[in-house]
Amino acid sequence: NAGVTQTPKFQVLKTGQSMTLQCAQDMNHEYMSWYRQDPGMGLRLIHYSVGAGITDQGEVPNGYNVSRSTTEDFPLRLLSAAPSQTSVYFCASSWHGTENTEAFFGQGTRLTVV
Amino acid sequence: GESVGLHLPTLSVQEGDNSIINCAYSNSASDYFIWYKQESGKGPQFIIDIRSNMDKRQGQRVTVLLNKTVKHLSLQIAATQPGDSAVYFCAEVFSGGYNKLIFGAGTRLAVHP
Repeated sequence: NAGVTQTPKFQVLKTGQSMTLQCAQDMNHEYMSWYRQDPGMGLRLIHYSVGAGITDQGEVPNGYNVSRSTTEDFPLRLLSAAPSQTSVYFCASSWHGTENTEAFFGQGTRLTVV
Repeated sequence: GESVGLHLPTLSVQEGDNSIINCAYSNSASDYFIWYKQESGKGPQFIIDIRSNMDKRQGQRVTVLLNKTVKHLSLQIAATQPGDSAVYFCAEVFSGGYNKLIFGAGTRLAVHP
């Protein structure tokens, strides 16, 4: 059981470059989300999705786009990378609803923008 | 993962002691609260949750206390072990059932032999 898989694990970008962080889950979870984690600031919600075809913004959505064409995949796109987007990115998935609150996180993608 | 712990408050305990990690939250409308553990280089891992209509919940070696009057949450770890060394986050979940998590800043727990 793979759980939540993120690729790549590490990435270095030049300012202005674009890239897509991949996230896939094999648990048939409706809810998926992206967080960024900066030193001393905990995890902040970027975008989330409650099902295929449905996405919404979180706390810090600027500079990022998402789409959800399938239940399994939830890619995060950086259109024009900036040094302020240097961070560790985590994807998470969970069931929809309050009966089971456990969210499963991927191993993270460490992104450096120079 | 090591840079995640920089600048976080640190709780240092001796192996075998009990640990208490505290968290203050801001939103009274939260449906429930969750504690996550994050080891170096890994993603957060679910520990325990508590609904907003409860004040205490126990798991294996862990107890979560919720004080809605002062908007305070705590995680108690009994007989702390070296494997408990990690960064601990509390998270609020808001109404709507979408498991939308809002995380606190985190506390590093350092367990010394």
